[in-house]
Formats: sequence, C-alpha cells, structure tokens
Amino acid sequence: KNEVEQSPQNLTAQEGEFITINCSYSVGISALHWLQQHPGGGIVSLFMLSSGKKKHGRLIATINIQEKHSSLHITASHPRDSAVYICAGRYNTDKLIFGTGTRLQVFP
Amino acid sequence: DSGVTQTPKHLITATGQRVTLRCSPRSGDLSVYWYQQSLDQGLQFLIQYYNGEERAKGNILERFSAQQFPDLHSELNLSSLELGDSALYFCASSVRDWGETQYFGPGTRLLVL
Repeated sequence: KNEVEQSPQNLTAQEGEFITINCSYSVGISALHWLQQHPGGGIVSLFMLSSGKKKHGRLIATINIQEKHSSLHITASHPRDSAVYICAGRYNTDKLIFGTGTRLQVFP
Repeated sequence: DSGVTQTPKHLITATGQRVTLRCSPRSGDLSVYWYQQSLDQGLQFLIQYYNGEERAKGNILERFSAQQFPDLHSELNLSSLELGDSALYFCASSVRDWGETQYFGPGTRLLVL
C-alpha cells in the first residue's frame, strides 16, 4: 500500500462543475502539498497546508489531520483547469512522498 | 514563468555515460530541490540544498550527486547511467525551506539509450 494515495485516478467534468480530488496518507505528516502539472509538463505548487483550509481563487484545499485525509476542490471548473493534480505528504524534514496523481479533464 | 531555469531542456545519452543538469533558482531563493519524475515511479524527491549546504536527502541513488554553488545555482550529476534513469528531472526553489512555496523549473527530459 502506498503511503500517499489519491482518488480518483482520472476525472472528467463539464465546465462549471464542482470538482473534488482526494488524498489520504497512512502515517502522520508534518505538511501536505498540492501540485498542478500542466499538459506540457510544467509543475506549479498550489498549496501547502498542515491544518485547516486554504483558498486561492477557485481552488480550496482542506486537511483533516485525525482522518489523515486532504481534499482539493475546484469551484466553477474551466477547461484551463485540465491538468494532473498531485498531492505529496511531508514526513519529518527529509521525506516527501508523492501520490500518483489525478488526471482531470474539463470539457466546455 | 516561475523564474527558475533549467538547462538543458532535453538530453539524449547512452548507458554508462555521465551527465550534468543545471538549475538556476529564482533571484533571492536560498533553497534548491531536485525531483525525478519517471513513468513507473512517478515524482520522487531527490535532494535539497540550502545556501550551499545539503539540507535533506530523499531517494537519491549513490550514482547521483548534487551541489549548490556560491552563486546559488545547483547542478545534479548523474553517472553510470542506466535505461531506468530516463525521466524528467525538475528543480524547484524556495526562499528558505520546506515551509514555503516551491517554484518549479520547466524540467530537463533525459533519455538514456
């Protein structure tokens, strides 16, 4: 079992839909990262959180430490949101474990 | 544009060879992180340097080494290359340490034949 698991692996949506991507981890982490990888390969760091909730534009990330679970929500999805979304758990100070990613396609 | 540059963009080489990947962090960033993304293993953290010193080590093979120079640019050296080393290598930088946003470079695509 991977230490960081994401679901779903693939997700398709119509423009305007509310999207949720889930990330669960098996042991305690000090922080959780959400990354976005564009079709061309470039990576953008979206959020880093250790508790609660963060919001940036139409993106919202939440984490529940007790349940070892984080979610990334996209409100009013748009075709430009099409990308691979990757979560990563940071264990101690020197171990970062990545999930396998969720491929999102938003159709107009 | 993240402000992080990586050279070269693409690299094709043969098994057994040695290559050097270069990364220039954003102006003012002291930390550089190296990551490997392969089809079978996904993204993996390799190593972090902070202001010239190694700060954290991930799944970096002994055949790989890195350093950060006084001007803060970093190089990742890959030696005795194997087919399985074919991957995208990203570097990222942040102002100080893990607690901050990391800005990723465009990556170097390495193909080992």
